[in-house]
Amino acid sequence: AQTVTQSQPEMSVQEAETVTLSCTYDTSESDYYLFWYKQPPSRQMILVIRQEAYKQQNATENRFSVNFQKAAKSFSLKISDSQLGDAAMYFCAYRSNAGGTSYGKLTFGQGTILTVHP
Amino acid sequence: NAGVTQTPKFQVLKTGQSMTLQCAQDMNHNSMYWYRQDPGMGLRLIYYSASEGTTDKGEVPNGYNVSRLNKREFSLRLESAAPSQTSVYFCATGGLAASTDTQYFGPGTRLTVL
Repeated sequence: AQTVTQSQPEMSVQEAETVTLSCTYDTSESDYYLFWYKQPPSRQMILVIRQEAYKQQNATENRFSVNFQKAAKSFSLKISDSQLGDAAMYFCAYRSNAGGTSYGKLTFGQGTILTVHP
Repeated sequence: NAGVTQTPKFQVLKTGQSMTLQCAQDMNHNSMYWYRQDPGMGLRLIYYSASEGTTDKGEVPNGYNVSRLNKREFSLRLESAAPSQTSVYFCATGGLAASTDTQYFGPGTRLTVL
């Protein structure tokens, strides 16, 4: 079974600075997707960014980018030019693309609470 | 286009009571999922439905049942609620094709069992 670990329960950053959230995962599969979801106080789960394992190029979405290290099974999220609206809980998630009974299901990490200071 | 909707938003039950959480989507997605979110544990999969007419257990299915009523609707039932089922419940939908592999979440239902 796959596991996802976020070792930072809480992180903080000054507005306009850069912060990196860590995520590691364990899997024996080679074909999968990785995601970062944001959960603000409203509880809505919002997709931030996704990465296909077969792509070596790191995904980017505006101020959000990832550092995907497949061999190390590491998937960190970098937020540049942090804004007050970035304050939220961030979840790393794994999704198998290997078919079978695990197909489509997300496995989540424990989450990291990000605080942004003005 | 409402996306994924869940009802109710909040619910308080007494131990032993039953209730059904409703989820509906207008995204024409095949797969639907129920997760629960507990403090410090992230989201865990309860049940899922890969397509209309099929359902399968996830990581924490005990104490729950589900029904995939049609392509749009996927309900979660607690037959005899227990305090350990106090949680926030999320419904999600997603396709299986590579172009639709993102899951979209509903707003959640906060359930308290006394």
